[in-house]
Amino acid sequence: EVQLLESGGGLVQPGGSLKLSCAASGFTFINYAMSWVRQAPGKGLEWVSAISGSGGTTYYAGAVKGRFTISRDNSKNTLYLQMNSLRVEDTAIYYCVKDLYWGSGSGSDWGQGTLVTVSS
Amino acid sequence: QFVLTQPPSASGTPGQRVTISCSGGSSNIGSKAVNWYQQLPGAAPKLLIHSNNQRPSGVPDRFSGSKLGTSASLAISGLQSEDEADYYCTTWDDRLKAWVFGGGTKLTVL
Repeated sequence: EVQLLESGGGLVQPGGSLKLSCAASGFTFINYAMSWVRQAPGKGLEWVSAISGSGGTTYYAGAVKGRFTISRDNSKNTLYLQMNSLRVEDTAIYYCVKDLYWGSGSGSDWGQGTLVTVSS
Repeated sequence: QFVLTQPPSASGTPGQRVTISCSGGSSNIGSKAVNWYQQLPGAAPKLLIHSNNQRPSGVPDRFSGSKLGTSASLAISGLQSEDEADYYCTTWDDRLKAWVFGGGTKLTVL
């Protein structure tokens, strides 16, 4: 059974930093691209970033490019999202997503999400 | 502003068939496969349809997807009260090099 467990969310001041982690199990982690998708309170889904299975290719949404960094440690089956220069509009639930196919937008499995609140 | 366009709401009565549309452009729906997600209240999204019309294991065949040109549709037949949820279409955009989502459609079962 695929399990994705996010952690690292919390309350941070504007301009601050936070690092999210996603511990994966139940599948061969290195074989799958992974993504982060967020959802602001009461709003729709917004893709944040994606990383290939090897970690060699990454993509970012325009809203976070230059501020967020996606990475993975395949030896630890863990996905990360380093978030710097956080803004109020980054407040959202952040979901870790296992991609069915690379570059397809098809997330076959989602974590339960971790809440990031950016506020002074 | 969302790259893909969905109606904000849809509704139907139990047993009815409803469809939800999703329109995009040549760099996304026009050249890439479309996926659909269902999000029940308070829950994480769940993949409902991938690759335009493929149902993951466990998804009832009441749910079906189709694509024509730069538009796609999700159809739900035999509507049930538990289908009341938010539905999102998504695909990859080759020009933006990004997942793109529709704004979501809130389905109400009357």
